[in-house]
Amino acid sequence: DQQVKQNSPSLSVQEGRISILNCDYTNSMFDYFLWYKKYPAEGPTFLISISSIKDKNEDGRFTVFLNKSAKHLSLHIVPSQPGDSAVYFCAASPDRGGNQFYFGTGTSLTVIP
Amino acid sequence: NAGVTQTPKFRVLKTGQSMTLLCAQDMNHEYMYWYRQDPGMGLRLIHYSVGEGTTAKGEVPDGYNVSRLKKQNFLLGLESAAPSQTSVYFCASSYGTEGRYEQYFGPGTRLTVT
Repeated sequence: DQQVKQNSPSLSVQEGRISILNCDYTNSMFDYFLWYKKYPAEGPTFLISISSIKDKNEDGRFTVFLNKSAKHLSLHIVPSQPGDSAVYFCAASPDRGGNQFYFGTGTSLTVIP
Repeated sequence: NAGVTQTPKFRVLKTGQSMTLLCAQDMNHEYMYWYRQDPGMGLRLIHYSVGEGTTAKGEVPDGYNVSRLKKQNFLLGLESAAPSQTSVYFCASSYGTEGRYEQYFGPGTRLTVT
């Protein structure tokens, strides 16, 4: 049973606009969340993380929002650039990120020049 | 500084054959992980290690074994390969300490079992 869900397999956005990628989770014990970016034929690379004690974390063009009551997190990319075109995975951990991580199925983002 | 490397990059096995995938990291990370990625699914954790000499089962451990004899290496073994183990395998490592939980991934190994 998928504990972390990304219900949008793909997303297309115009360059310069905002990209919003969504992620839902079912396990209320999750307390640490991460977003990864993956290009074809490469391993995922870490983008940004957030712990359950926060509801927002920002790093440059990337902001992650966490809504614990809704068990929902989102990644905002502003402004979107063609180089952001990749598959984005959200991941969650029930033990402060030390051991087991559960990944979503990914959302393929295409930024149109 | 190579980061996380995986050997081999590609492999084709016949059903019943065995093989070992090697993962190496040069970042002095305590934690190491093996994942598989299948079409339409996210990465699923197979086994992980929180330090040299330790291993633990993840979400999908059946059919795999692991060893962490040295801190920098994490080996994934398939004793008797099955077509269901056709997948892309990723190794990752992390510091595993407060504020340093993000994982660094290798480039992956594409395994086909016929």
